[in-house]
Amino acid sequence: DVKVTQSSRYLVKRTGEKVFLECVQDMDHENMFWYRQDPGLGLRLIYFSYDVKMKEKGDIPEGYSVSREKKERFSLILESASTNQTSMYLCASSLSGTGGTEAFFGQGTRLTVV
Amino acid sequence: QQQVKQSPQSLIVQKGGIPIINCAYENTAFDYFPWYQQFPGKGPALLIAIRPDVSEKKEGRFTISFNKSAKQFSLHIMDSQPGDSATYFCAARLGGYQKVTFGIGTKLQVIP
Repeated sequence: DVKVTQSSRYLVKRTGEKVFLECVQDMDHENMFWYRQDPGLGLRLIYFSYDVKMKEKGDIPEGYSVSREKKERFSLILESASTNQTSMYLCASSLSGTGGTEAFFGQGTRLTVV
Repeated sequence: QQQVKQSPQSLIVQKGGIPIINCAYENTAFDYFPWYQQFPGKGPALLIAIRPDVSEKKEGRFTISFNKSAKQFSLHIMDSQPGDSATYFCAARLGGYQKVTFGIGTKLQVIP
């Protein structure tokens, strides 16, 4: 069974802390994504990566950075957490190639910044 | 600016009804249109997908209708069941890239 695993289901952090969200996939997928999900706003893409050490900004990259040192692992970093980064964070992965490819999502990390 | 506009945001139907969720897009470079289903506490999962050269696709009780000239597509759920209660997202992928843009989601509740 394919799997995308996010390291934490729930996190509570203080304003100004540096926060790491970890995601691991076991499907040998080239592409990995970080989204945040907020009511009324849907899923918004923060960053994605199409290869090891490669990254592209999504629609809302401000305040975030990412790291992909190994193919199976994609980390989202909040450099200095703020209360407006309280959200559900979803990691996903997919195969490359022409045509549509299914994105597989993790269960999400609900981050609360206090 | 929302590249994929989805409506309604919430929908309540009786069991057996046919909920319809609509999406519209502007960018004609989109080449793949998936729908994702999300249950509470879970990540979204692919439900059904269509390409713009096809006007309709059915998988079980789920049907996508696609109108390329109007740049609109919709999801119909036939004979809806309480187990279909979930949030549904339409999405669109930019051709040549893997970046997928999602709509805001529709929370569907099917009442027994």
